[in-house]
Amino acid sequence: DAGVTQSPTHLIKTRGQQVTLRCSPKSGHDTVSWYQQALGQGPQFIFQYYEEEERQRGNFPDRFSGHQFPNYSSELNVNALLLGDSALYLCASSANYNEQFFGPGTRLTVL
Amino acid sequence: DQQVKQNSPSLSVQEGRISILNCDYTNSMFDYFLWYKKYPAEGPTFLISISSIKDKNEDGRFTVFLNKSAKHLSLHIVPSQPGDSAVYFCAASVWVKTSYDKVIFGPGTSLSVIP
Repeated sequence: DAGVTQSPTHLIKTRGQQVTLRCSPKSGHDTVSWYQQALGQGPQFIFQYYEEEERQRGNFPDRFSGHQFPNYSSELNVNALLLGDSALYLCASSANYNEQFFGPGTRLTVL
Repeated sequence: DQQVKQNSPSLSVQEGRISILNCDYTNSMFDYFLWYKKYPAEGPTFLISISSIKDKNEDGRFTVFLNKSAKHLSLHIVPSQPGDSAVYFCAASVWVKTSYDKVIFGPGTSLSVIP
């Protein structure tokens, strides 16, 4: 059973560009949450998707958007990238909200 | 406004000794607490949790203690092993209607267990 997978592993973009990150949840999980982890900080909740809808959202601007597909996989989109968006982006899946399984993350660098 | 605080960025412990990682929270509505462990280049891994109706939960070498009046919890690892060297995150959430609200993470404590 593959756990949570994320792609790509690393990504380099320039300011103003747009980026899409992908996540495949653990088998049997229907809920996907996205987190941003800046250097030296803990993961910060971005939003959560359940039944293809955004169920909860953290304190992130509208430049951050997402999508969940019928197979429960998910995408995180960030528009108009800023230098401060450089971080590790983590995806976590669950069937029960608190029993979250995290993927290895996508390291985004904005130049 | 950091609702979950881990005031020790790092901790070094000798192998075989006890590791104690501390966490404080400010939101009295939190009623479920979790500890995650993170190795480099991997996502966080769930370690142990505790509900606010308990003051202690144990799982093998790991024990979490909760002091609700002080809004403080701690993770004890006994005995510490070199493989325990990792970043440990404290996290908290609130039960809302039929599920838990978003999970709030602390900044983490980097534990080094010295052989």
